[in-house]
Amino acid sequence: GENVEQHPSTLSVQEGDSAVIKCTYSDSASNYFPWYKQELGKRPQLIIDIRSNVGEKKDQRIAVTLNKTAKHFSLHITETQPEDSAVYFCALANYQLIWGAGTKLIIKP
Amino acid sequence: NAGVTQTPKFQVLKTGQSMTLQCAQDMNHNSMYWYRQDPGMGLRLIYYSASEGTTDKGEVPNGYNVSRLNKREFSLRLESAAPSQTSVYFCASRGSGVYGYTFGSGTRLTVV
Repeated sequence: GENVEQHPSTLSVQEGDSAVIKCTYSDSASNYFPWYKQELGKRPQLIIDIRSNVGEKKDQRIAVTLNKTAKHFSLHITETQPEDSAVYFCALANYQLIWGAGTKLIIKP
Repeated sequence: NAGVTQTPKFQVLKTGQSMTLQCAQDMNHNSMYWYRQDPGMGLRLIYYSASEGTTDKGEVPNGYNVSRLNKREFSLRLESAAPSQTSVYFCASRGSGVYGYTFGSGTRLTVV
């Protein structure tokens, strides 16, 4: 079945630096690619998403890029802040969500 | 407030006991989902319901049953709880099309 690989599993960056998380997938039928942020003990929260007819989308300090030919999509966070510390999940969807394994983002002060 | 409501928030069961996790949404969504999340892991789909009256197995259905009682409610039942079912359970719903998943706040279940 469909699979999505997410890297890295843990990412530690200095406050103010950028963070990039990458996901690769195999099913070319997927057409929706959301990113979720999950803080400890809380539910996943949608932070940004992209649809297959768009190559890039930006929302303030967060951006997502999609390369459908290479079958990968990435989350970019610029000017990282302490409140960005969380676990980030990529996902892709056709009729249901397929989740990556998550990336623990640590922002060092 | 519109959203997905899960009950209970916390539960401790003894091995072999049964219980039902409740989920209700008030957004008129067709699709509803049950996920489990083990510590340090992503979400894994247990069961889903694409519309009222239908249910389908997900990635990890063994040991669970579900009921789509009506369009609003989708319950998850553990008939004979096992320690391996200790996890956080999330219910989610989705409107028409592929987009717009909304998650409940989760049920933290411990089986001893």
